[in-house]
Amino acid sequence: GAVVSQHPSWVICKSGTSVKIECRSLDFQATTMFWYRQFPKQSLMLMATSNEGSKATYEQGVEKDKFLINHASLTLSTLTVTSAHPEDSSFYICSATSGDSNTEAFFGQGTRLTVV
Amino acid sequence: AQSVTQPDIHITVSEGASLELRCNYSYGATPYLFWYVQSPGQGLQLLLKYFSGDTLVQGIKGFEAEFKRSQSSFNLRKPSVHWSDAAEYFCAVGGSGTYKYIFGTGTRLKVLA
Repeated sequence: GAVVSQHPSWVICKSGTSVKIECRSLDFQATTMFWYRQFPKQSLMLMATSNEGSKATYEQGVEKDKFLINHASLTLSTLTVTSAHPEDSSFYICSATSGDSNTEAFFGQGTRLTVV
Repeated sequence: AQSVTQPDIHITVSEGASLELRCNYSYGATPYLFWYVQSPGQGLQLLLKYFSGDTLVQGIKGFEAEFKRSQSSFNLRKPSVHWSDAAEYFCAVGGSGTYKYIFGTGTRLKVLA
């Protein structure tokens, strides 16, 4: 299957700072990428959908000014958590698709963010 | 409303015993169904998927799942569980042309030696 890589795998940042998470499709062009958030022992909740070259579409209740998403190329989307606070600590997972209806979206390995 | 229900939050089985994890969905179009496994602190690994065709699908690690449209279910089964199967299992639904998946709340599997 196709490979999606996230970087970093884990990050610790101080409260008030910003942190950027990268999601890369390594062997296919990802027309669309998705960002999910997973709180401890909970399910994955979709945060936003990003299409290459256009603004991301955020799910209801997700602050677009806090979670900045950029999808500048067909192989890279970034999620920047701005002015992070301890309640932003979570596991963030991206998925990517080439738009081929015969395949599923492919998930990255996730990024563990801890805000102290 | 679109949703996925995994009624069992925790399941404990003995090694070598059979396993069935339940999943029910509500989806307004033809569903694409998935089962993922997640080990602690790790990402998601796809076990199997159903898009169309044969309603009994085989996956990796000896898992299988059966799509029952009349019951809106996609239960995951394994005839003999191994200790390494202990993990969190997520059922998810999507649709043709949409890759936004709705996940269930997960079932945590514990395997007794």
